Amino acid sequence: DAGITQSPRHKVTETGTPVTLRCHQTENHRYMYWYRQDPGHGLRLIHYSYGVKDTDKGEVSDGYSVSRSKTEDFLLTLESATSSQTSVYFCAIGPFATEAFFGQGTRLTVV
Amino acid sequence: GESVGLHLPTLSVQEGDNSIINCAYSNSASDYFIWYKQESGKGPQFIIDIRSNMDKRQGQRVTVLLNKTVKHLSLQIAATQPGDSAVYFCAEKRTGGTSYGKLTFGQGTILTVHP
Repeated sequence: DAGITQSPRHKVTETGTPVTLRCHQTENHRYMYWYRQDPGHGLRLIHYSYGVKDTDKGEVSDGYSVSRSKTEDFLLTLESATSSQTSVYFCAIGPFATEAFFGQGTRLTVV
Repeated sequence: GESVGLHLPTLSVQEGDNSIINCAYSNSASDYFIWYKQESGKGPQFIIDIRSNMDKRQGQRVTVLLNKTVKHLSLQIAATQPGDSAVYFCAEKRTGGTSYGKLTFGQGTILTVHP
């Protein structure tokens, strides 16, 4: 899986609690991305990073924040989880070209 | 479990047939068009890409066709095998300026191959 590890793989949390998902890469790629996948929606970009401490919003960023303090780690935080954030979250890394490598995903359920 | 395939277009074929999966895209400024395969419980996996200045590209058992006039992309899989059963996504990518290689995905198509 191209040296990407997402943790946790599964999580159930309560509405209103903060949640942090972690993406760890061993490929030293500059670019990292967080996507969410929902039935019938394909994958939608939440946030992305183009370098350490360099991040920006994607198309569905409301309710999420990210941090990247070192090349290998990209954290996605739900400040106060809501049921609408129940989803499967994928991290991706990529060279600045066409091929992005995806992690195995984190299945998050907010109850 | 949760189905990412809810309400997605579906294609059913027999093993050995050729499959054609279609995708309409919206952004004429995209530099690359990419096909991903996603098996159940896994992340998307890169299959093949095509640059916007090309109209055809072939890989191993796969061919991607790009028709910019009608903004249409297709993936052809030759001699489809049961292991090809998955959800297939097309994606667009811009590589210039501040795009930073972000991908915009299509909705996906479920391919089922019957032995």
